[in-house]
Amino acid sequence: NAGVMQNPRHLVRRRGQEARLRCSPMKGHSHVYWYRQLPEEGLKFMVYLQKENIIDESGMPKERFSAEFPKEGPSILRIQQVVRGDSAAYFCASSHFLREQFFGPGTRLTVL
Amino acid sequence: AQRVTQPEKLLSVFKGAPVELKCNYSYSGSPELFWYVQYSRQRLQLLLRHISRESIKGFTADLNKGETSFHLKKPFAQEEDSAMYYCALSGLSQGGSEKLVFGKGTKLTVNP
Repeated sequence: NAGVMQNPRHLVRRRGQEARLRCSPMKGHSHVYWYRQLPEEGLKFMVYLQKENIIDESGMPKERFSAEFPKEGPSILRIQQVVRGDSAAYFCASSHFLREQFFGPGTRLTVL
Repeated sequence: AQRVTQPEKLLSVFKGAPVELKCNYSYSGSPELFWYVQYSRQRLQLLLRHISRESIKGFTADLNKGETSFHLKKPFAQEEDSAMYYCALSGLSQGGSEKLVFGKGTKLTVNP
């Protein structure tokens, strides 16, 4: 079991471009959480998804951010028209229902 | 509002000395408390959770509801304990979401 996989590990985008971050959960896990970590800050919850459903998106910015977890394939966090303030480390975690969350290595997004 | 406070950004001790990493929380219900650790160049991993009442790698943490604290302690620090430590809480919310609320973290350095 390779654990939670995230790619890319590093992503550089210019202002106005789109960023797509991918997260493959651990085998057998159907719950995915996305967190964002700004410099000098702790991780902040963004969104919680189950297969084909967004369960809790209370931490997602209202505009430009979206997430999905399709029946097949990885979960995707999409940021449209990126701005410098989006530069951060984005982590996903996966779990069984109500069990320990296992974290991926993170994607470090830099917006130029 | 849910909040986790780790008052020390940096903590430095000598090998063999006791160590205590402080964590205070604010939550209206009955949260579950966790300590996560991130060693250099590794992913975030769960160290311990209060409901399991275990000792992991010599670390213990006791939930004090009166003081709303969950301090992490180890009687004799080792160099390999040097890492970033995050306190976190979760409480069941929307749709069964166990989203985690993290503190900003404490960087522990154990000197030889």
